[in-house]
Amino acid sequence: DSGVTQTPKHLITATGQRVTLRCSPRSGDLSVYWYQQSLDQGLQFLIQYYNGEERAKGNILERFSAQQFPDLHSELNLSSLELGDSALYFCASSAAGVPYNEQFFGPGTRLTVL
Amino acid sequence: GENVEQHPSTLSVQEGDSAVIKCTYSDSASNYFPWYKQELGKRPQLIIDIRSNVGEKKDQRIAVTLNKTAKHFSLHITETQPEDSAVYFCAGNAGNMLTFGGGTRLMVKP
Repeated sequence: DSGVTQTPKHLITATGQRVTLRCSPRSGDLSVYWYQQSLDQGLQFLIQYYNGEERAKGNILERFSAQQFPDLHSELNLSSLELGDSALYFCASSAAGVPYNEQFFGPGTRLTVL
Repeated sequence: GENVEQHPSTLSVQEGDSAVIKCTYSDSASNYFPWYKQELGKRPQLIIDIRSNVGEKKDQRIAVTLNKTAKHFSLHITETQPEDSAVYFCAGNAGNMLTFGGGTRLMVKP
């Protein structure tokens, strides 16, 4: 157990819908990262927050947005869902805002868009 | 931005043999290269990392080498065991983000 929690574990929804994925970082970690992993694909970096502020942005679609709250938990919002958005979404946390602090991954949320 | 390529995409070895996975990166400013292991249905977990001021790092049966000039780094697993079977990802940092390679599925046959 990495100490990073994600809810829900599984999510099944229809095209055009909107969903929210939630992540709680390890106690004391200030950085949260979001990744997308499609079937048999690598890990695509989406976005990073550090202590409530956006720190880095990857290939995140405009239909996706995220935020980090004062209690440091983070939410990833996916809207106007398409079939291709079906994937495993991981969040990770680290102590500081730089990537050479170990990132601890959560168990992931499996999103299925029908 | 950073581009990380990883080879091979699949690797099958006999138990006890060594396995080598290679990655190349594009951004000469990258200075941190972690390796993650992801077992089927589980989260990625860091197994070893190396910074650009070091050429080699070893942890028991696992070692990583870095060639900054050629911009490539490799993961070496010796005396492989069935529990080493997993997908391995390399990564390089570009600023505040990690760019991951495409992954290598390692299968260790008993």
